[in-house]
Amino acid sequence: TQLLEQSPQFLSIQEGENLTVYCNSSSVFSSLQWYRQEPGEGPVLLVTVVTGGEVKKLKRLTFQFGDARKDSSLHITAAQPGDTGLYLCAGADAGGTSYGKLTFGQGTILTVHP
Amino acid sequence: DVKVTQSSRYLVKRTGEKVFLECVQDMDHENMFWYRQDPGLGLRLIYFSYDVKMKEKGDIPEGYSVSREKKERFSLILESASTNQTSMYLCASNGVTLNYGYTFGSGTRLTVV
Repeated sequence: TQLLEQSPQFLSIQEGENLTVYCNSSSVFSSLQWYRQEPGEGPVLLVTVVTGGEVKKLKRLTFQFGDARKDSSLHITAAQPGDTGLYLCAGADAGGTSYGKLTFGQGTILTVHP
Repeated sequence: DVKVTQSSRYLVKRTGEKVFLECVQDMDHENMFWYRQDPGLGLRLIYFSYDVKMKEKGDIPEGYSVSREKKERFSLILESASTNQTSMYLCASNGVTLNYGYTFGSGTRLTVV
């Protein structure tokens, strides 16, 4: 079973601060996705990164896939209260037929205080 | 608006009951998944299905079974509910390419008493 270690588990910051969430594994993934989940709802896809070393930006969010495709990071610049939520990373198996199966990290609960 | 619909948002069941959780998607997706979500543990895969009547065990299948008689519907069955199955259950689907990610339902919060 592939494992994804996500850190930190909790982040509580003030509006305007920057933050980074990390997702690490000893396994290689063919792609890695980041999701955001709000209370009472299912996770919603933010981004998919596929190529080692890839960097994608989504407004104030920057996503990076490690060169070896074993790790990823999510950086938020000037966090806002609307960024509050649970952030999940998820990796797709690099080998064999996996029918789109994802392995999820434990999640990071982000709270941004006004 | 495409979506995955889970039949119940909240359920309370008694220990030993047989419980059915229903999930329907309207995107003609091949793959469907059942996860349970617990604090600090993230999402753990219970079962998935890649075609009608096809199913595969995930990481924590014990105590659960599934049924996929039609492409759009994937049911999770708790044969004899136990208190340690109290959790948030999430259904998801995805199509041929994973790059578009999963589409999740809103979840069913199941409490077994």
